[in-house]
Amino acid sequence: NAGVTQTPKFRILKIGQSMTLQCAQDMNHNYMYWYRQDPGMGLKLIYYSVGAGITDKGEVPNGYNVSRSTTEDFPLRLELAAPSQTSVYFCASSYQDTNTEAFFGQGTRLTVV
Amino acid sequence: AQSVTQLGSHVSVSEGALVLLRCNYSSSVPPYLFWYVQYPNQGLQLLLKYTTGATLVKGINGFEAEFKKSETSFHLTKPSAHMSDAAEYFCAVRKFASKIIFGSGTRLSIRP
Repeated sequence: NAGVTQTPKFRILKIGQSMTLQCAQDMNHNYMYWYRQDPGMGLKLIYYSVGAGITDKGEVPNGYNVSRSTTEDFPLRLELAAPSQTSVYFCASSYQDTNTEAFFGQGTRLTVV
Repeated sequence: AQSVTQLGSHVSVSEGALVLLRCNYSSSVPPYLFWYVQYPNQGLQLLLKYTTGATLVKGINGFEAEFKKSETSFHLTKPSAHMSDAAEYFCAVRKFASKIIFGSGTRLSIRP
């Protein structure tokens, strides 16, 4: 079972570069999420999607963009990378029912230098 | 807005001792509550969840949590700590269908 797959696992970017973090799930989940994890700060929600073609901002959306053209894929785009975007990024997915949990990918460790 | 507060960013216990990790939620309506565990360099995995019904919830690896509405708490416990329990633990709340909000996490260390 693949679950939630994130690529790449590690990446170093220079300031001002852009990149796309890929996320795919094979569980037919409606909902998908992007979080960033910084030491001592827990997980902060960047963007989420409730279905193909529908996305919304989370707590910390500035500097990021998302799209959801299919149920399976939810890429996160970083434009003009900044050192403040150095973090570990997690993609997750869930069913729409409120009593269901999210399933997480293994994370992407991004360093901006 | 719904939120969760985890008291103590770091908890250290001896092997075999009781583990108690604290989580309080803020919500006028009881939400759905979750505990996740994260081992080093890995993603998060579900330990247990409270939805409705029994307020004492049992999870994997011997962990359990009790939902207390009067105290707006959902503390995580394990009677006897094992070295393999060393990890970071996150409490999370899902009140509305779309968003899952996480606490700041508690790092659990186990002393031999």
